[in-house]
Amino acid sequence: DTAVSQTPKYLVTQMGNDKSIKCEQNLGHDTMYWYKQDSKKFLKIMFSYNNKELIINETVPNRFSPKSPDKAHLNLHINSLELGDSAVYFCASSHWQGGEKLFFGSGTQLSVL
Amino acid sequence: RKEVEQDPGPFNVPEGATVAFNCTYSNSASQSFFWYRQDCRKEPKLLMSVYSSGNEDGRFTAQLNRASQYISLLIRDSKLSDSATYLCVVSKGAQKLVFGQGTRLTINP
Repeated sequence: DTAVSQTPKYLVTQMGNDKSIKCEQNLGHDTMYWYKQDSKKFLKIMFSYNNKELIINETVPNRFSPKSPDKAHLNLHINSLELGDSAVYFCASSHWQGGEKLFFGSGTQLSVL
Repeated sequence: RKEVEQDPGPFNVPEGATVAFNCTYSNSASQSFFWYRQDCRKEPKLLMSVYSSGNEDGRFTAQLNRASQYISLLIRDSKLSDSATYLCVVSKGAQKLVFGQGTRLTINP
C-alpha cells in the first residue's frame, strides 16, 4: 500500500537520450511535486501541480517537462539528457492546505553517462 | 548566502547523549518551519513542525528564534535509530518549501 510510488528506482542512460519517470499517489492529495536532490544533498523543488494545473516551475530547463494526466499522477519527461542531470529525483504529494507536510516517493536515482 | 543553512556535520555522538543542531534562514518573511529526517538512500519524512513557542515530541524539542532567524533541534537520550540526516525546512510561500543541506548525525553504540 505504497502512498507515493515512483518508477523506476534506478535509471542509467547515455547522454542525449530521452527518459521518463512516473509517479502516482493514492493518498487523495490534490498537489504533487518533483524535487531534485543533487550530489551535495540539496533538495530543490522543480515543479508543483495542483489538480493537474502547474503552480510552480522553478527555473528548470525546458528539457524537463512534467505531465499530470490526473491529480493522482505526475510524470517527468526529460529530453536530451546531460551529465549534470544526474541526481536523485523525488516525487511528493500533499494537501493543498497543509503543503508543508510532504509525502515523498522513494526516489529515482538517475545516472547519465 | 543560502536561503537555509545548516552545518552538514557529520556529528558523531554516543548513544544516550543529548545532541543539538541549528539552522539559519535568510528570509525574515518566512512563516513556517519544519524538521524533516532522511535516512541513507531513503526519502525525507516530516519529523516535526517548529512553532514560535517551541514544541516537544518525545525526546525531540524544536525551537524557533525569529529575531535571530534560526531554528534548533534537540535530541535527548539519543538512540542508534536516530542516526540520519536532519533537514531544516522553511516555507517560502504556499506549497514552496526550501530545504537545507541537512546535518548528518551518527549515534554510536
